[in-house]
Amino acid sequence: EVQLVESGGGLVQPGRSLKLSCAASGFTFSNYYMAWVRQAPKKGLEWVATISTSGSRTYYPDSVKGRFTISRDNAKSSLYLQMNSLKSEDTATYYCARQGIGTTDYYLDYWGQGVMVTVSS
Amino acid sequence: DTVLTQSPALAVSPGERVSISCRASEGVNSYMHWYQQKPGQQPKLLIYKASNLASGVPARFSGSGSGTDFTLTIDPVEADDTATYFCQQSWNDPTFGAGTKLELK
Repeated sequence: EVQLVESGGGLVQPGRSLKLSCAASGFTFSNYYMAWVRQAPKKGLEWVATISTSGSRTYYPDSVKGRFTISRDNAKSSLYLQMNSLKSEDTATYYCARQGIGTTDYYLDYWGQGVMVTVSS
Repeated sequence: DTVLTQSPALAVSPGERVSISCRASEGVNSYMHWYQQKPGQQPKLLIYKASNLASGVPARFSGSGSGTDFTLTIDPVEADDTATYFCQQSWNDPTFGAGTKLELK
């Protein structure tokens, strides 16, 4: 059974940093692109970052580029999201998700339960 | 960014057929995907690449369309289908629609 379990969320002040983790199990982690997607309270979904199987390729939208860094440790089947210079608009539930098996498959076939990040003074 | 437009809400009776639409601001080929999100839960993939049923999803769900106009159809609708449905494109930088909330009468 595919499982994705996020951790590391919480309350953080504007301008500070936070690192999210995602522990994956039930599949060969190193074979899949992985992603982070967020959802602000009562809002829609926003794709935050993607990382290739080896970690050599990443994608970020302009809203987080230069502030967020996605990384992975295939030996530990773990995904990470380093978030720096946090803003109030980064407040959201952050989901770890697995992408389809193909390198162009930018859809998400399994999602974690999500972790809440609140940016507030 | 490619903007995806969805109707905000729909209400149908159990046993009926419902079609949920998603219109893209520019062509996305067949790279449109659909998710279901129930309150307090994570999204769940229903349909990928316009018309492919995701693993474990009932055949009551189907998808169609290409280019700029796409449809998710549920036939017949069951009480458990109460949820918000999101479309997402991946032809360009990935974006999601704002979601359609499906309520049952």
